[in-house]
Amino acid sequence: AQSVTQLGSHVSVSEGALVLLRCNYSSSVPPYLFWYVQYPNQGLQLLLKYTSAATLVKGINGFEAEFKKSETSFHLTKPSAHMSDAAEYFCAVSDPGLGAAGNKLTFGGGTRVLVKP
Amino acid sequence: DAGVTQSPTHLIKTRGQQVTLRCSPKSGHDTVSWYQQALGQGPQFIFQYYEEEERQRGNFPDRFSGHQFPNYSSELNVNALLLGDSALYLCASSLLGSGGASGELFFGEGSRLTVL
Repeated sequence: AQSVTQLGSHVSVSEGALVLLRCNYSSSVPPYLFWYVQYPNQGLQLLLKYTSAATLVKGINGFEAEFKKSETSFHLTKPSAHMSDAAEYFCAVSDPGLGAAGNKLTFGGGTRVLVKP
Repeated sequence: DAGVTQSPTHLIKTRGQQVTLRCSPKSGHDTVSWYQQALGQGPQFIFQYYEEEERQRGNFPDRFSGHQFPNYSSELNVNALLLGDSALYLCASSLLGSGGASGELFFGEGSRLTVL
């Protein structure tokens, strides 16, 4: 069974500082990996995904993530935090067997990001 | 282009009642998945519908059932509601035929169910 662990349920950063959100996964096969963002009272929006191409993935809003197979990690970073980055972030994993569109996602517990002015 | 739409946005029920939630997928999508997100937790997969049939199912009891219509819209039904069913229910749509790595799930804003 697949699982996802996000270290830190809450992260506080100053505006302009580095944002680093940690995600480790467990999977019996090379997985697809995703980061989603959820703003209050909204659904999930895809930030980026890893689907066995380049290990460094660039997403929207200046975020990027690096897939490290040896560490089973897929940490999310942004060099400079903006106030609009305050939200909850979820890491997710799926089995690539049915493609990125057809598979169920297993989510981590989420990390809430607070950005201080 | 309308995205994924869900209704109702909020509803309150009492224990033992039944509820039906509705989802219209993004235009051009043929697959609908449902997720339950309890407060402070990540979403959990309930089931997925394609070609009006349940393709995959998560670890949810039979009280949770669904349906997909010929126009690809979907319903989630929950019977004999429990307090623990209080959650945000998210619908996600995708185009299964897109296959491979190019596919993506698009999520609606959810239906928030409160069971008293």
